Amino acid sequence: GEDVEQSLFLSVREGDSSVINCTYTDSSSTYLYWYKQEPGAGLQLLTYIFSNMDMKQDQRLTVLLNKKDKHLSLRIADTQTGDSAIYFCAESFLQGGKLIFGQGTELSVKP
Amino acid sequence: DGGITQSPKYLFRKEGQNVTLSCEQNLNHDAMYWYRQDPGQGLRLIYYSQIVNDFQKGDIAEGYSVSREKKESFPLTVTSAQKNPTAFYLCASNEQLNTEAFFGQGTRLTVV
Repeated sequence: GEDVEQSLFLSVREGDSSVINCTYTDSSSTYLYWYKQEPGAGLQLLTYIFSNMDMKQDQRLTVLLNKKDKHLSLRIADTQTGDSAIYFCAESFLQGGKLIFGQGTELSVKP
Repeated sequence: DGGITQSPKYLFRKEGQNVTLSCEQNLNHDAMYWYRQDPGQGLRLIYYSQIVNDFQKGDIAEGYSVSREKKESFPLTVTSAQKNPTAFYLCASNEQLNTEAFFGQGTRLTVV
């Protein structure tokens, strides 16, 4: 079945890089996404990667996809206090188009 | 401006009552979704609809009901059969075939 796993917490110092990891079980997904959620708010799409890509870079964000290991990561360079939030990875499937989310990783950035 | 709107932002319900959460989008999206968020559990899919007048159960549909009479609207009713309804509810929409999902700002439901 479809399952997406993330570690629950990550703490980094301001200016360091953050790496948030995600594993998934269903390799038939077509897109994989990273969403950001600030307290009390909805989810905001940060970036996404098509399943036949290995890497995507967008300013401070780098997404790496290892299809063999079913592992997705999000690297945030020069992490700022404003990056503190919960980050969700998600995958979608051609059949049905629904999104399956991980549990979310709470990123805490300390000054 | 195009977007997806949930209302109300906060909702209080007495035990045994049904309540309806509103979700409206003006993005002309075909698909709409309801998720429930509990601390440490991520988002769990309640119901989704890919087209008007059709919807499917997600992973935790028991105690909930939906309708999709109009493309723009996908209300969620939390019935008295839902034993633990206190949670943050998120509505989302996207076009068909794996495109970005846009989320509303959420409704926090509390049973009192």
